[in-house]
Formats: sequence, C-alpha cells, structure tokens
Amino acid sequence: EEQILESGGGLAQPGGSLRLTCVASGFNVIKSDMRWVRQAPGKGLEWVSLINVAATSTYYADSVRGRFTISKDTSSGALSLDLNSLKAEDTAVYYCAKGWYHLDVWGKGTAVTVSS
Amino acid sequence: QSALTQPPSASGSPGQSVTISCTGTSSDVGGYNYVSWYQQHPGKAPKLIIYEVTKRPSGVPARFSGSKSGNTASLTVSRLQTDDEADYYCGSYANSNYVFGTGTKIIVL
Repeated sequence: EEQILESGGGLAQPGGSLRLTCVASGFNVIKSDMRWVRQAPGKGLEWVSLINVAATSTYYADSVRGRFTISKDTSSGALSLDLNSLKAEDTAVYYCAKGWYHLDVWGKGTAVTVSS
Repeated sequence: QSALTQPPSASGSPGQSVTISCTGTSSDVGGYNYVSWYQQHPGKAPKLIIYEVTKRPSGVPARFSGSKSGNTASLTVSRLQTDDEADYYCGSYANSNYVFGTGTKIIVL
C-alpha cells in the first residue's frame, strides 16, 4: 500500500521560516511527480507547488512564488517544501500528494500556524 | 488561476442520487480531460475517487461516476449511503498548475 507521511509543521512568526518534509512507503518520492496542497482552517483545497520526476522543473501557485521552494533530497528519499517570509494567510494544513494530472496518494497533512 | 465553481451543498436521502457540478474555463476543465474528484471526510485527508473525468481508482464503488461537457464537469453519486456525507472537491490539471473547486458538502438526509 502506498502511504505518505508529512512532518515539520508547527508555529512560526510572521516573516519566519519552516521546512516541511514528506516521505513515502510503497513508492519512491524521488521517482514520482509530487505536489504540495494546503487547506486553510474551514476552507477549501489550494494547490501550492509541483516538482517533476527528475526534479528539473518546479512550479508554484502565485500566492507562494518567490517565498516557497520545493525540492527532492535523493540521499534521504524525501520531498521538502521550504516556507519563507511566512504570512498569516499561510496558516493551513499542508498535504503532500503524488501525481501530475491527478493526485492519487495523499498524506494526512502537517499543520502550519503563522502567528505572533 | 481562479478556483473552479461548485455549489456549496447538495443533499439526498439514502438510496437516491445526487449530482454535483464543477465549472471552470477553457484553460482548465474545458481544455483537458484531466478532471478529478476528491472526497474528504471531516478531519481527514482528501481521497481520489474519480480521475481523467470518468475513471475510478481501484476500490472506489461504481456508485461514483463522472462526466464532462465543455467547461463543466459533474460527479454523480448513486444509491446514496450515510458514509457518502462528506466534502467533495473537483480538481483540474491546468498547464502544470492545478486548480481545485470551491467544494461541495453532500448531506445525506
């Protein structure tokens, strides 16, 4: 069974940084197209970022471009999302998910709260 | 990229059918046959139930079906069961981006 586990969430101050990490079992994150999706409290789903299989192409939603960075670590087999210059509106549960055209495996999410 | 438009809620009694719409543009829903539907129970992660407009992942009951016409996709849940009560989101590939719908809560009366 393919499973995903996210970690790294927590409380950050406005303007601060966090690193989210995603590891998988049953498939290899490094050999998969991977996306991050977030969901603010009581709100809908919002796509955040995409990285392709080879990690040669990355894409970002307008709301996070220039502040967030997606990457793959081949040594650890993990996917990461670096969150910088955090804003209150970045408060959300962040999900790691597998897929390019559709998202067929999702993690349970990690919660990020941006507050002073 | 603007969110796809879904009705806030839909309801039906057990055994009945309910259909949810998802309206986008020619840049997303209308431009690709890569519309998906996700089911999310409270406090849980989303689960893929329909992909590529009409296909069901292994293990998803045939009661769930999808279709598309122009810039609007639809999800039909037949023979409603109490466990179908959840939030449902459409999603569409859009030139490497991905756009989700606003979400619809299905209420089983």
